[in-house]
Amino acid sequence: DQQVKQNSPSLSVQEGRISILNCDYTNSMFDYFLWYKKYPAEGPTFLISISSIKDKNEDGRFTVFLNKSAKHLSLHIVPSQPGDSAVYFCASHSGGGADGLTFGKGTHLIIQP
Amino acid sequence: DTAVSQTPKYLVTQMGNDKSIKCEQNLGHDTMYWYKQDSKKFLKIMFSYNNKELIINETVPNRFSPKSPDKAHLNLHINSLELGDSAVYFCASSQAVAADTQYFGPGTRLTVL
Repeated sequence: DQQVKQNSPSLSVQEGRISILNCDYTNSMFDYFLWYKKYPAEGPTFLISISSIKDKNEDGRFTVFLNKSAKHLSLHIVPSQPGDSAVYFCASHSGGGADGLTFGKGTHLIIQP
Repeated sequence: DTAVSQTPKYLVTQMGNDKSIKCEQNLGHDTMYWYKQDSKKFLKIMFSYNNKELIINETVPNRFSPKSPDKAHLNLHINSLELGDSAVYFCASSQAVAADTQYFGPGTRLTVL
């Protein structure tokens, strides 16, 4: 039973345009959400996070939006750059993280020149 | 100056063997984790240790035994390896059990023949 779902296995975006990656979750106890970026043969790298008490968090080119009623979050990258090509994982936890992170399956973002 | 390191990066072995994967973090974090990424690319929590004590043990066969000699190290020992153990294993650490962000190592690709 997938508690965190990323329904798009891949996404292709032109350089300079906006990339929007989506994530849905089913566990209403989740109170913290994170996005990780992963290059091949490397570990996931923390990108940005958001607490359930907020609906938006911005860090440079990256913005995460949280819609709690829809149990949906999205990551916006603008403008997209070639170095953004990677697999993006949505993750979440509840209860302060003591139970570890629950990950989605990832979306492979490809930035086209 | 690697924050979370794992050795070896690749491990190829025969069924029935016993092997260990080592993990070290130099971030001064209190909590360390092991995750498994299977062939379907899901990252799943296996174990979590806080200050050398086990706090999470997900449904993992008891052939897997984590060992934490000190809070900077969390090693994973696997007995009687099976074909289904083939996966990428990631170590991670966080400031504390309730910390929101986990930092991952580069992963160890285990192949059981």
